[in-house]
Order: sequence, then C-alpha cells, then structure tokens
Amino acid sequence: DTGVSQNPRHKITKRGQNVTFRCDPISEHNRLYWYRQTLGQGPEFLTYFQNEAQLEKSRLLSDRFSAERPKGSFSTLEIQRTEQGDSAMYLCASSRLAGADTQYFGPGTRLTVL
Amino acid sequence: AQKITQTQPGMFVQEKEAVTLDCTYDTSDPSYGLFWYKQPSSGEMIFLIYQGSYDQQNATEGRYSLNFQKARKSANLVISASQLGDSAMYFCAMRGVNNNNDMRFGAGTRLTVKP
Repeated sequence: DTGVSQNPRHKITKRGQNVTFRCDPISEHNRLYWYRQTLGQGPEFLTYFQNEAQLEKSRLLSDRFSAERPKGSFSTLEIQRTEQGDSAMYLCASSRLAGADTQYFGPGTRLTVL
Repeated sequence: AQKITQTQPGMFVQEKEAVTLDCTYDTSDPSYGLFWYKQPSSGEMIFLIYQGSYDQQNATEGRYSLNFQKARKSANLVISASQLGDSAMYFCAMRGVNNNNDMRFGAGTRLTVKP
C-alpha cells in the first residue's frame, strides 16, 4: 500500500480567499478523516467519511468549511473566506473498518493565512 | 466525554536508554482503543502501537511497549534503547467503541534523545 497523500503540502493565502486541500487515502480504506492541528496541540477531529457518506462533523467545522468525498476515494476540504485563525496544519487520515480500525495519517497541509 | 492527558510537555533521554512517556485517559465507554503516534518535525503522524481495552496483555511493537493499567486509566509508552531518530513529538490518543469516528488526542510530549 502507498500511504495517505495530501496536496498541497503548504499553502499561503490572503485573508478572505478560498482554499481547497486534497487527500488521497490508502486504497481500499473506506474511512477518511480530517483533523486540524494548531501549534503545540494534538490534532482535533473535524469530520469523517465512510465511503462517500459524511457521517459526522465537529462543531469546529464552521459553515465556511466544507468537505466532500464524491466517489468514496479521494476527499477535498474547502475553506471559504479564510481567516487568520484558520492557520493550522490540516491532517487527513484513513482506516479500514476492521479490527482496531487504526487511522493512518498523511503528511498534512500547512495553511498560513496572512 | 473522553479526555486524554499527557502531563510531560518535554522529556530528555540519553541515547540507548529507555524512556517512559505518560498518558492517562478518562472515558465512559465500556470498550475503547488506545493509540500512540509519533510526529517528527516533518509533521506526519506515524502510528506506533495500539492497545485494546479488553486485551489481556500489554501491546509490544519492536522497541515500543505500552504499559496499560486499566484500573488507573493509564497507557504509558515505553521506548527501549532510545535512538537519535526517536526525537519527536509523541501523542497518545483514544477512541471509544461508541465514538468510533472521534479520536481524541493528548497535547503531546516532546522527546529529545541526547547523544
């Protein structure tokens, strides 16, 4: 298996712009998760998909955030009208619904909002 | 509610020695999983080890072992024979069977291995 991949690795944008991140999970992993990590903290859960269905969204996921997984494979996370407080590392993880259901993470996308 | 606590912001260890990173948790779920991840400066979260709440034996994976004390709600990570490449942030995480989507992470411990 190739690992979870995320693109871009880094994104610098101006406040008010929209940004979109992509996550490609490990093939045949039917669960996909998005987390946000700020400096000095552990990752915080944002949302997750089982196949193409978005089953849960954290209260951290404001209405400016939207995530999709249209064909149950890759996923996108879009942030509209970015704010400086959105600056963080955005991590994607995937898992197979079996056993420990261990989540495997991608390298993350570091977002800086100027 | 689930909560993970890592009380050591930073730890130092001499190369080739063993080190224990502390983790305590709180949950009302009757069944849960405990995980440890390593995050080097590159940012990627690397899965290290898993312990199920009903597992009778402590989990081991190479130089990593998990000292699981269920009554004390602790799941400490032991790294034996530390290597310079072990220097990283280490996160303890938990997922309850009733919250299998929401994995909670501790604040992490920064481990520095000294030559």
